[in-house]
Amino acid sequence: GQNIDQPTEMTATEGAIVQINCTYQTSGFNGLFWYQQHAGEAPTFLSYNVLDGLEEKGRFSSFLSRSKGYSYLLLKELQMKDSASYLCAVKPGGYQKVTFGTGTKLQVIP
Amino acid sequence: DTAVSQTPKYLVTQMGNDKSIKCEQNLGHDTMYWYKQDSKKFLKIMFSYNNKELIINETVPNRFSPKSPDKAHLNLHINSLELGDSAVYFCASSATSRGGETQYFGPGTRLLVL
Repeated sequence: GQNIDQPTEMTATEGAIVQINCTYQTSGFNGLFWYQQHAGEAPTFLSYNVLDGLEEKGRFSSFLSRSKGYSYLLLKELQMKDSASYLCAVKPGGYQKVTFGTGTKLQVIP
Repeated sequence: DTAVSQTPKYLVTQMGNDKSIKCEQNLGHDTMYWYKQDSKKFLKIMFSYNNKELIINETVPNRFSPKSPDKAHLNLHINSLELGDSAVYFCASSATSRGGETQYFGPGTRLLVL
């Protein structure tokens, strides 16, 4: 089966940097996604990692270590609008379903 | 230009009723999904179709029946609604069901069963 763990909640200050961790145990691996979901809205794609290392995209970066079953999402220069839930999702491979973690609710405070 | 659309956005109904939710995508994707997100915000896949063929069918009560008339549409019919069916239902699509294709989500249907 698949198991994905993320912290339930985090709080960070506007302008700061925050790192949201995700650990996973899956049978097979074909990529890890990060999605952002604002309250009352649909999840939207942020990043995709399939190889080890850091992928940077503006203020957001995502890191993957396949040997450790570990990823993190790094948000820099936090803005109030970054307050949302951040969902880690893993694709085991082939036609297997993408499994979502329970999400980390990030609150950005002034 | 809405990529993935769902109707209705809100659905309030009585226990025991039958209801349908419709989903359409104009992205030309081959694969579509239904997810259920409960009050604890856990997003759980229910079904997935690839080119109108069912490829993922999670442990979902058989009161839930998906139908895909063509690869751009995936509807969800729910019979004999129960209180526990109250949740947000998201439709999503991706280019294919293999590899790391990004999923694009619809706006969600908020179902409340009274």
